[in-house]
Amino acid sequence: DAGVIQSPRHEVTEMGQEVTLRCKPISGHDYLFWYRQTMMRGLELLIYFNNNVPIDDSGMPEDRFSAKMPNASFSTLKIQPSEPRDSAVYFCASSLSQSGVWTSYNSPLHFGNGTRLTVT
Amino acid sequence: RKEVEQDPGPFNVPEGATVAFNCTYSNSASQSFFWYRQDCRKEPKLLMSVYSSGNEDGRFTAQLNRASQYISLLIRDSKLSDSATYLCVVNPFSGAGSYQLTFGKGTKLSVIP
Repeated sequence: DAGVIQSPRHEVTEMGQEVTLRCKPISGHDYLFWYRQTMMRGLELLIYFNNNVPIDDSGMPEDRFSAKMPNASFSTLKIQPSEPRDSAVYFCASSLSQSGVWTSYNSPLHFGNGTRLTVT
Repeated sequence: RKEVEQDPGPFNVPEGATVAFNCTYSNSASQSFFWYRQDCRKEPKLLMSVYSSGNEDGRFTAQLNRASQYISLLIRDSKLSDSATYLCVVNPFSGAGSYQLTFGKGTKLSVIP
């Protein structure tokens, strides 16, 4: 079975450039999450979607960050303009609710292998 | 106080040793608990859920102490392949509700031949 697929694996860009990260969740999963991981702050939830609808974006650090999920099989996280402090590993994860209900114990997260972003 | 705190380690242990990690959480209302494992430069993966009565999965035992607000992970007979970072995860909800998983920064384990 294909897991969560993220692209690119690595992205190096200059400050001020636009960066777009992509994610394909596991087929059939109805929840999608974007996380950022740094040494200083660990794993932080940025935003999550349920059935393609953004539910909570309170973790998005600022207006430079935006995320979309145009359909059940694709999501993007965009940073415009990028800054050096955005350098991190960005993970996408998907999860399957049980009969439309998400619960911690019954809906484990499946992470993609991440995008390592470096902004110089 | 941070929401989820872990000793970052590293814990360097010889093969065959028993090692234990603790994790403390600040929200006394937390209802569900997990350990995730993250290999170097890889994604986190669910290792095991932690239930109130404690639970065991092979060489791994997880326990919850609600009164003291900590969870633990015990690894017996350590293998080289256990080398990884172990992330403690808590959620204020166990039933249906908003998603609020909070991850600790992780404890790094190195098992030495």
